[in-house]
Amino acid sequence: DQQVKQNSPSLSVQEGRISILNCDYTNSMFDYFLWYKKYPAEGPTFLISISSIKDKNEDGRFTVFLNKSAKHLSLHIVPSQPGDSAVYFCAARNSGAGSYQLTFGKGTKLSVIP
Amino acid sequence: ETGVTQSPTHLIKTRGQQVTLRCSSQSGHNTVSWYQQALGQGPQFIFQYYREEENGRGNFPPRFSGLQFPNYSSELNVNALELDDSALYLCASSRLGETPGELFFGEGSRLTVL
Repeated sequence: DQQVKQNSPSLSVQEGRISILNCDYTNSMFDYFLWYKKYPAEGPTFLISISSIKDKNEDGRFTVFLNKSAKHLSLHIVPSQPGDSAVYFCAARNSGAGSYQLTFGKGTKLSVIP
Repeated sequence: ETGVTQSPTHLIKTRGQQVTLRCSSQSGHNTVSWYQQALGQGPQFIFQYYREEENGRGNFPPRFSGLQFPNYSSELNVNALELDDSALYLCASSRLGETPGELFFGEGSRLTVL
């Protein structure tokens, strides 16, 4: 069963507009949520994270929102830039597992159109 | 600061063979994890090593095994290869006490099993 779900395989956004990437989860034991970005032929790179006790975390153009009651999180990118075009993975850490055991979603491919 | 490096980048094996993938962790990192990313899927946790001991394992059979060496480099061994083992294998290093779940990934080793 998929514990972390990204239901949109792809998303296209105009440069300068907002990109919103969504993620749902089912496991209540997840205590940290993270977003990773992946360019072709490169490994994923950490983007931003949020603790399960918070509802928002911001880092420059990137903001992650967590709605714990709905088991839903989203990543907002404002303004979107062509260099943001990549696959974005939502990931979650299980508080009962090893510190770095992450469960990933299948990813959303973001295309920012100039 | 040297990042995570993996070798080989690509390799082709036949069913039933054995393979060893290698990873050199980022300087100062003491934990290494391995993930399998099948086509169209997110990375899936295989196992994690800390101080040369396995301290977390995902849902993978025993024919997937690993080692971590005193210099924090690591190996992933897969015996009796099956067609479904074809995937990108990602190594990730981290340091306990840093941002929970923040992993530094290598570019991966793409394994094709024929």
